[in-house]
Amino acid sequence: NAGVTQTPKFRILKIGQSMTLQCTQDMNHNYMYWYRQDPGMGLKLIYYSVGAGITDKGEVPNGYNVSRSTTEDFPLRLELAAPSQTSVYFCASSYKGVGAYEQYFGPGTRLTVT
Amino acid sequence: AQSVSQHNHHVILSEAASLELGCNYSYGGTVNLFWYVQYPGQHLQLLLKYFSGDPLVKGIKGFEAEFIKSKFSFNLRKPSVQWSDTAEYFCAVNNAPNTGNQFYFGTGTSLTVIP
Repeated sequence: NAGVTQTPKFRILKIGQSMTLQCTQDMNHNYMYWYRQDPGMGLKLIYYSVGAGITDKGEVPNGYNVSRSTTEDFPLRLELAAPSQTSVYFCASSYKGVGAYEQYFGPGTRLTVT
Repeated sequence: AQSVSQHNHHVILSEAASLELGCNYSYGGTVNLFWYVQYPGQHLQLLLKYFSGDPLVKGIKGFEAEFIKSKFSFNLRKPSVQWSDTAEYFCAVNNAPNTGNQFYFGTGTSLTVIP
């Protein structure tokens, strides 16, 4: 299994541009998440999904959109990039079952908006 | 909601020293607790987790954590650190069982181990 994969690894955007960060998992996990990680701030949840066709906002959703058309894929869309969106973005997935179901993280996308 | 506090922002230790990183959470109900590690340039990896049962949980690489419900704490410990433990450590909490969708992370503790 590849686990959670993310593309691209790095990206530089100009203010106002748009882009999609891709996330795919091959573990048949029903839950998927997008976080951003800023220095000294830990991880902030942007959006999450409990299954195909179902998404919900997290702590910092403004400026982002998501979709979940399949179990495997959970892309994150930035419509009008702003410098405040410069961050490292992590996608994660987890399985809901009995017990403490941990999250599995992708390698991250480092995004710079200038 | 839930908030998670990691009071130690940056810890510097010499090799073989003992480590304890604090983690406190706010939600008083049933919780699942996790410690993740992020080595430089890498993604987060699970160190250990607590669901129920023995409050002393053992994880990978010699790490352990103790859940103290009365103190809302889940501190991470290691008796003797190595240079390779240099990393960022995150505590995370998941409010079980009804709202198992969201995980709440602390701001992280950066550990530097000096050879």
